[in-house]
Amino acid sequence: GQNIDQPTEMTATEGAIVQINCTYQTSGFNGLFWYQQHAGEAPTFLSYNVLDGLEEKGRFSSFLSRSKGYSYLLLKELQMKDSASYLCAVRDSNYQLIWGAGTKLIIKP
Amino acid sequence: NAGVTQTPKFRVLKTGQSMTLLCAQDMNHEYMYWYRQDPGMGLRLIHYSVGEGTTAKGEVPDGYNVSRLKKQNFLLGLESAAPSQTSVYFCASSPSTSSWPQHFGDGTRLSIL
Repeated sequence: GQNIDQPTEMTATEGAIVQINCTYQTSGFNGLFWYQQHAGEAPTFLSYNVLDGLEEKGRFSSFLSRSKGYSYLLLKELQMKDSASYLCAVRDSNYQLIWGAGTKLIIKP
Repeated sequence: NAGVTQTPKFRVLKTGQSMTLLCAQDMNHEYMYWYRQDPGMGLRLIHYSVGEGTTAKGEVPDGYNVSRLKKQNFLLGLESAAPSQTSVYFCASSPSTSSWPQHFGDGTRLSIL
């Protein structure tokens, strides 16, 4: 079966750095997406990785290792508005997105 | 910038009732999707469409039907609502299935009593 694993919840301090991990086992791989979802709102796109390595976009970076079936989202200089759920999704061989259950990130002052 | 618009935003149904959820996008996207999101689970694909007049089943299609008569609209129907269909429903669209991300609507919160 196909599986995406993420920690259920993480807590970090305002101004700090946090890394959210995602491991996957899917039938094929055609890219990995990270989305942010604030409570009661729609998911919004953060980043996309299809090749191994690090993609940086402002305070957010995403890393991919296809051989290990592993990705992480790195958030720097945390702000209170970063409190949200972070969803990892993998595009499989049928070009469908397989979604993880999400990681709820709690930012404390 | 409307993007993806879902109606209604909230609805309460009784078991056995039917209803239609409407999704409209103004980005001229070819692909549209219906997902459901339940606590502790990832988004699950119900049905999707790769273009006007086409639909296909996703991971959890039972109890739902869809139609894509116009490129900008994707309708999700519940034929006979069941309590197990209580969920938050999200519509999404994308230009294609390649590297383009999916854009989501604000969701419809549906409760079946």
